Amino acid sequence: NAGVTQTPKFRVLKTGQSMTLLCAQDMNHEYMYWYRQDPGMGLRLIHYSVGEGTTAKGEVPDGYNVSRLKKQNFLLGLESAAPSQTSVYFCASTRSGESYEQYFGPGTRLTVT
Amino acid sequence: LAKTTQPISMDSYEGQEVNITCSHNNIATNDYITWYQQFPSQGPRFIIQGYKTKVTNEVASLFIPADRKSSTLSLPRVSLSDTAVYYCLVALAGYQKVTFGIGTKLQVIP
Repeated sequence: NAGVTQTPKFRVLKTGQSMTLLCAQDMNHEYMYWYRQDPGMGLRLIHYSVGEGTTAKGEVPDGYNVSRLKKQNFLLGLESAAPSQTSVYFCASTRSGESYEQYFGPGTRLTVT
Repeated sequence: LAKTTQPISMDSYEGQEVNITCSHNNIATNDYITWYQQFPSQGPRFIIQGYKTKVTNEVASLFIPADRKSSTLSLPRVSLSDTAVYYCLVALAGYQKVTFGIGTKLQVIP
């Protein structure tokens, strides 16, 4: 099992460009999450999904969109990148709504210039 | 959402027991307490979870008093490889709308 994987690992964007971050899990988990981590801020939840075809907003959803077309994949999109979106992005998954153990991916370091 | 407060940083010598305490005064009846560990350039990793009293696994112990307003993560005989950031979370299962705080940065000294 690869667990949770994220693509790409690093990316540099210019302001206004768009991109999609891909998260994939091979554990058949129902719930998936996108977080961002900034220095001194901990991890903040952007969006999450409780199942295929469903998504919901987290604490800091503005400027991001997500899709969960397949159970194993959770995509995070930036339509028009801004320097404030420079961050490390982590994807995570949990088995179900009764689970307390989140499995995290290795992260994507995004820089917006 | 229950707010958590934990020390920003701690230092410990190798071989010592480390206790990191987290305060969560407004914990709800159905909330569980979980702890995560994060190494630099990696995602957080689940360590332990509990509701009340004491929980122990191969990595750590978690002590929760009867009023559940705080919890203590205990790491026995730390080594240099335990240098990491440790996060305390209070949440319902499923982690919907949960935020990790800034955590406690543990530095283990030779």
